[in-house]
Amino acid sequence: EVQLVQSGAEVKKPGESLKISCKGSGYSFNNFWIGWVRQMPGKGLEWMAIIYPGDSGTRYSPSFQGQVTISADNSINTAYLQWSSLRASDTAMYYCARFGSGTYYGAAAYWGQGTLVTVSS
Amino acid sequence: EIVLTQSPVTLSLSPGERVTLSCRASQSVSSTFLAWYQQKPGQAPRLLIYAASIRATGIPDRFSGSGSGTDFTLTISRLEPEDSAVYYCQQYGSSPPITFGQGTRLEIK
Repeated sequence: EVQLVQSGAEVKKPGESLKISCKGSGYSFNNFWIGWVRQMPGKGLEWMAIIYPGDSGTRYSPSFQGQVTISADNSINTAYLQWSSLRASDTAMYYCARFGSGTYYGAAAYWGQGTLVTVSS
Repeated sequence: EIVLTQSPVTLSLSPGERVTLSCRASQSVSSTFLAWYQQKPGQAPRLLIYAASIRATGIPDRFSGSGSGTDFTLTISRLEPEDSAVYYCQQYGSSPPITFGQGTRLEIK
């Protein structure tokens, strides 16, 4: 069974750094794109970034380029999303999702449970 | 950058009715690269349709997708109360590689 399990909720102050995680199981982690999707309170889905663990290839949405960093550790089947300096506007639910394989980004058939990030002074 | 515009933004219908949701792209999208998702409050999105018209595993045949080029639709026949949700379209073939529409909120009254 394919599963994506995300790290727990975080409460941070503006200016702090943060790294959240998404651990995949039940499939070949290296061979599928994993992406992060933001959902601000009461708003829609926004794609942020995607990584192909097999070759560490990454793609970023223009809206999030330079604001976050996506990475993966194949040895523990885990993808990460990190911020170096959080802002209050980063308060949101963040979902990881498994997309397609190879040159096919694909649709996301599997999603994590979400990680709620709250940034407040 | 491809922009997906969904319509209507919200709608309210009764059980048993049929509904068609629209997703219009700012430039042509290969039908191979268009998906639809359902999201209920407090839940992660669920994939309904991929490649414009193929139902994902476990999705009832009340849900169907169609379209090509810049115009795509999701049709739900015989609405049920549990279909109340926000529906999103997504393209996954162009630069940027992934884009979501802004969503359509469907209420079953």
